[in-house]
Amino acid sequence: DAGVIQSPRHEVTEMGQEVTLRCKPISGHNSLFWYRQTMMRGLELLIYFNNNVPIDDSGMPEDRFSAKMPNASFSTLKIQPSEPRDSAVYFCASSRIQGAQGYTFGSGTRLTVV
Amino acid sequence: GENVEQHPSTLSVQEGDSAVIKCTYSDSASNYFPWYKQELGKGPQLIIDIRSNVGEKKDQRIAVTLNKTAKHFSLHITETQPEDSAVYFCAAPQRDTGRRALTFGSGTRLQVQP
Repeated sequence: DAGVIQSPRHEVTEMGQEVTLRCKPISGHNSLFWYRQTMMRGLELLIYFNNNVPIDDSGMPEDRFSAKMPNASFSTLKIQPSEPRDSAVYFCASSRIQGAQGYTFGSGTRLTVV
Repeated sequence: GENVEQHPSTLSVQEGDSAVIKCTYSDSASNYFPWYKQELGKGPQLIIDIRSNVGEKKDQRIAVTLNKTAKHFSLHITETQPEDSAVYFCAAPQRDTGRRALTFGSGTRLQVQP
């Protein structure tokens, strides 16, 4: 089992550019979560999916953020346009069980917007 | 949403000593309490969890205790080793997600001095 795979590991972009973060959940896991981690705010839930359907996106900070899960093995988090305050580590996690249990996190994408 | 408070924010112990990290939660209906360990440059990793129908759970040098009446739970690490040095997070189901996603505490940076 390769675990949850995120790409890229690091992303540096200029303010105003579009950024796309990618996640491949563990095969057979039907819940997927996107979190953002910063020193000031800790781990914040952005959005989560169950069986590829977005269930709750109330944590998405602004309309500049969007997430999709076109199939069970792939999800994207897009920021357009990016701003310096979006700089953070973005984590994807998946779970086999519906509900807040058994999370496996990916290694994260460190985003720096300059 | 669920409020999870974690203390202390930093903890330094000598190798071989015990370490205790405490969390309180606000949602009396919460029924699942995991602990995650995050090493530098990695995603959080589940190390132990407890459900509300038990008061204590042990796994080798790690234990978690739960006091439902007081709404707090604690992580206990005995015989600490340098490799236990990391940031530890408690979590609880987030009420405003229908308890389908986790909300995390602010983290405790544990340093084990050799």
